[in-house]
Amino acid sequence: NAGVTQTPKFRILKIGQSMTLQCTQDMNHNYMYWYRQDPGMGLKLIYYSVGAGITDKGEVPNGYNVSRSTTEDFPLRLELAAPSQTSVYFCASSYPNNGYTFGSGTRLTVV
Amino acid sequence: EDQVTQSPEALRLQEGESSSLNCSYTVSGLRGLFWYRQDPGKGPEFLFTLYSAGEEKEKERLKATLTKKESFLHITAPKPEDSATYLCAAANAGGTSYGKLTFGQGTILTVHP
Repeated sequence: NAGVTQTPKFRILKIGQSMTLQCTQDMNHNYMYWYRQDPGMGLKLIYYSVGAGITDKGEVPNGYNVSRSTTEDFPLRLELAAPSQTSVYFCASSYPNNGYTFGSGTRLTVV
Repeated sequence: EDQVTQSPEALRLQEGESSSLNCSYTVSGLRGLFWYRQDPGKGPEFLFTLYSAGEEKEKERLKATLTKKESFLHITAPKPEDSATYLCAAANAGGTSYGKLTFGQGTILTVHP
């Protein structure tokens, strides 16, 4: 049972480049989330999804986009990367009102 | 606006020295209070969920408690392997079935042998 799998683990982007962070889960969870974690700032919600075809913005959605075409996959798209998007990104999934299962994270640096 | 504040920011203990971590929350209708452990370079790992004031849950040397305004994570006779960042998060009732989690900034616990 793999849980939540995120790829890549590390990435360096140049300003203005784009990329997709991949997230897949094998627990048949309906709910999936993307968070970013900055030092001393806690986890901030970027986007979330309550099921295939349904997504909504979290606290810090600007500069990001998501899609949810299947229950398993929830990719996060960064368009026109900026230094402010340097962070560690975590994907998570859950059943409603249950504890989240997190992936191991993607460490992104924008230079 | 929902808020979760954890204290202290960092805590250094000697092995065997018991202590508590605090999580204060302000949410519009608490649906659940969650505790996570995060090791360096890894994602948070779920520890406990508390749903109502007075509830307690235990796991090995950890015990979580909940009041109407705060949650405490008590660590009894800690060992060096308990060193990690402990995150607290609160889920509000929300207008839909989705319980958005608001995270605190975490407490970095270091246990010295």
